[in-house]
Amino acid sequence: DAMVIQNPRYQVTQFGKPVTLSCSQTLNHNVMYWYQQKSSQAPKLLFHYYDKDFNNEADTPDNFQSRRPNTSFCFLDIRSPGLGDAAMYLCATSRDVPSSYNEQFFGPGTRLTVL
Amino acid sequence: DQQVKQNSPSLSVQEGRISILNCDYTNSMFDYFLWYKKYPAEGPTFLISISSIKDKNEDGRFTVFLNKSAKHLSLHIVPSQPGDSAVYFCAASEWGMDNTDKLIFGTGTRLQVFP
Repeated sequence: DAMVIQNPRYQVTQFGKPVTLSCSQTLNHNVMYWYQQKSSQAPKLLFHYYDKDFNNEADTPDNFQSRRPNTSFCFLDIRSPGLGDAAMYLCATSRDVPSSYNEQFFGPGTRLTVL
Repeated sequence: DQQVKQNSPSLSVQEGRISILNCDYTNSMFDYFLWYKKYPAEGPTFLISISSIKDKNEDGRFTVFLNKSAKHLSLHIVPSQPGDSAVYFCAASEWGMDNTDKLIFGTGTRLQVFP
């Protein structure tokens, strides 16, 4: 089945220790998104890739970076995690079709704990 | 500043009855609205959507109503089933400058359907 896969599902890191979350997709979608969802809050878009073009949201902290080495994979790097970065991180993909709404398909998420 | 609001964090409904989940938004430029359903340990999955040019969209037991003048939408589930127990997110789509859709989510409503 075509899907969006996130690894690991649970990640524990120490305060200030860099961490990388990964997302892969078998849908061959050209757009990939990273969302952050804190407890009892709405998922919030951090950034997205349209093919290789990176689009950062204005309020995404510099501490968050992303890489997309190819169509299938996208990584979220947190350079120096703080306690406030503990959250569920959701990856999503969509296939861009001009003049049409493009449904986003979500992975199961990675829950990040910062000690 | 929350542009999409779900003011009821939880809802409990008896099996067979109607579930009504509500959502309000503030940005009149939103042109597409969606409902996503999320089970524990899974990512959100698309449920139903509505374009801003319509006031109703129906798909089986699920109907979404849009009242643009009130900036309000609602999801009706009839009849409710225990398998509908999940968190429901309302989302609005905003067209990005790179021609991609950005989703603005509400905080979710946890629906519990009891026998």
